[in-house]
Amino acid sequence: GENVEQHPSTLSVQEGDSAVIKCTYSDSASNYFPWYKQELGKGPQLIIDIRSNVGEKKDQRIAVTLNKTAKHFSLHITETQPEDSAVYFCAAHNAGKSTFGDGTTLTVKP
Amino acid sequence: EPEVTQTPSHQVTQMGQEVILRCVPISNHLYFYWYRQILGQKVEFLVSFYNNEISEKSEIFDDQFSVERPDGSNFTLKIRSTKLEDSAMYFCASSETSSSRAGELFFGEGSRLTVL
Repeated sequence: GENVEQHPSTLSVQEGDSAVIKCTYSDSASNYFPWYKQELGKGPQLIIDIRSNVGEKKDQRIAVTLNKTAKHFSLHITETQPEDSAVYFCAAHNAGKSTFGDGTTLTVKP
Repeated sequence: EPEVTQTPSHQVTQMGQEVILRCVPISNHLYFYWYRQILGQKVEFLVSFYNNEISEKSEIFDDQFSVERPDGSNFTLKIRSTKLEDSAMYFCASSETSSSRAGELFFGEGSRLTVL
């Protein structure tokens, strides 16, 4: 089955700095790679995604890159703000199932 | 904005008791999922459901678990005889069926299950 690894597990940055979270996956059949933000006591919320026919996607301060050959994808958050503090999960989706990474706790210090 | 709703938000039960968690997916979605998250851990896939049958299930989803879509709006997860290790947050999710939107999951706020 699919295995998704996510790094780092915790990340602390100063407000205004950039944050990068990286994930690798094992199943080359996975074709959709979403990123979720989870705030305390809430469900995961989709923040950006990328499909396997695209290498990069950007939405304001967040961007995702995908390297299919190397089977890794990354989340980039620029100009971080304290409200970006949360747990971020990557996932790889194939055949009706999303496999999640272990999560990254991002803390943005004002 | 349409959303996935889950009830109850928190349920406390005794070990060995049956529990039913309920979900109302987004109305035009036809793929439904249950995930669980043990406190402080990652989100784990349990089961996906489409066209009134299970599409995929994980090794966690053993004979103690079952899912049902009893009517046109609800999607339920039943745990027949709860164990201590079933204590977790259970998330329902739904998605559209079009291939261009495949995998775009919309999650509910979760049902916290505590087994004593």
